[in-house]
Amino acid sequence: QVRLQESGPGLVRPSQTLHLTCSVSGGSITSGDYYWTWIRQNPGKGLEWIGFVYHNGNTFYNPSLRSRTTISIDTSKNQFSLTLTSATAGDTAAYFCARELGGALAGTIDYWGQGTLVSVSS
Amino acid sequence: SSDLTQDPAVSVALGQTVRITCQGDSLGAYDASWYQQKPGQAPVLVMFGQNNRPSGIPDRFSGSSSGKTAALTITGAQAEDEADYYCNSRALRNTHLFFGGGTKLTVL
Repeated sequence: QVRLQESGPGLVRPSQTLHLTCSVSGGSITSGDYYWTWIRQNPGKGLEWIGFVYHNGNTFYNPSLRSRTTISIDTSKNQFSLTLTSATAGDTAAYFCARELGGALAGTIDYWGQGTLVSVSS
Repeated sequence: SSDLTQDPAVSVALGQTVRITCQGDSLGAYDASWYQQKPGQAPVLVMFGQNNRPSGIPDRFSGSSSGKTAALTITGAQAEDEADYYCNSRALRNTHLFFGGGTKLTVL
């Protein structure tokens, strides 16, 4: 059973950098069958895709967040991370890491982390 | 903004059938997937591909699609099905992953 677990600060000051890590267990992050993905959900709102990293380090980001976003992968630790710079109150959200299937089922997210709430406030 | 459009809210009487729809141009290259989210919890995959249920999802959930519209049908809705439902789709390989705005399902 694959498990994903987010970790990182629950409070970030405005203009500072938000950094979260996702630890993956029960499966290898080096598999080429998946995209390792970050998704967020503003309070009371819908889901917003942030971007993904592939096992070889290739990335693709939501155009609306691309200029502030970096997603990286650490295969030695079976982890991947999210960095979001210049945080504002609008970045206050529950952040989920997830595994997206590739190939013909691209877009399907079969495993999700439990989510971590990040507040951006002074 | 979302390329995928869902009705914000739908209600169904206990034991009756409800259809939740998702429309958008990105429903082309890949089939839609559907997720159930209850308050304070992470979303759970309930339908993917043409009509595939992950292990543990009751067979009262089914999926369908036609052109630019995908649908999730619950046949014989139960109280525990009350939740928010989201569709998503990837338009093309290595492109934006779209989510619908979500449908709040109330079981009366």
